[in-house]
Amino acid sequence: QKEVEQDPGPLSVPEGAIVSLNCTYSNSAFQYFMWYRQYSRKGPELLMYTYSSGNKEDGRFTAQVDKSSKYISLFIRDSQPSDSATYLCAMRVGNGNNRLAFGKGNQVVVIP
Amino acid sequence: NAGVTQTPKFQVLKTGQSMTLQCAQDMNHEYMSWYRQDPGMGLRLIHYSVGAGITDQGEVPNGYNVSRSTTEDFPLRLLSAAPSQTSVYFCASSYSGLQETQYFGPGTRLLVL
Repeated sequence: QKEVEQDPGPLSVPEGAIVSLNCTYSNSAFQYFMWYRQYSRKGPELLMYTYSSGNKEDGRFTAQVDKSSKYISLFIRDSQPSDSATYLCAMRVGNGNNRLAFGKGNQVVVIP
Repeated sequence: NAGVTQTPKFQVLKTGQSMTLQCAQDMNHEYMSWYRQDPGMGLRLIHYSVGAGITDQGEVPNGYNVSRSTTEDFPLRLLSAAPSQTSVYFCASSYSGLQETQYFGPGTRLLVL
């Protein structure tokens, strides 16, 4: 079993729809959870960052972490064509371990 | 602030050739790393450095060398290029690597024939 599983999609939605993305993981030691957004032919950029379980909201974006189920989600409300990108989940343990474990990425296309 | 810069943007190599991918950051970050990104594989860590003079291997280090003589620069060397090293390479940096945002460069697309 891979450490982080993410369905690569692609996912096409009409403008204004809610986009729902998720990742599952196997390492119960993960404590820090991130979502990166990567536009075509660009480097990833950090979108959301959460610690442990719970929800975090930033504008149209909501990140959820359920450590008991080893499951994280990203929701994009009122999706825009500018949200079309690949979204990668990433996670790591604490205690000085710098290694990030990435999901494969999920391509999202928002159709005007 | 230029952030993280990478050169070249694109490179074609023949099997067996060597080359160095350059990475520089002007944010005074201690932690720098190299990833490769392949279709269906996601981002995989090649090597990383927690400060000048300190490097360590990541998930897929074979065929690559790194050094960190300054805080700003972290070059990645391909000793003898192989077609399996065809990929997009990203350099990233963060202040300490602990609970910190990693900033990625724009990437270098490498094609090995």
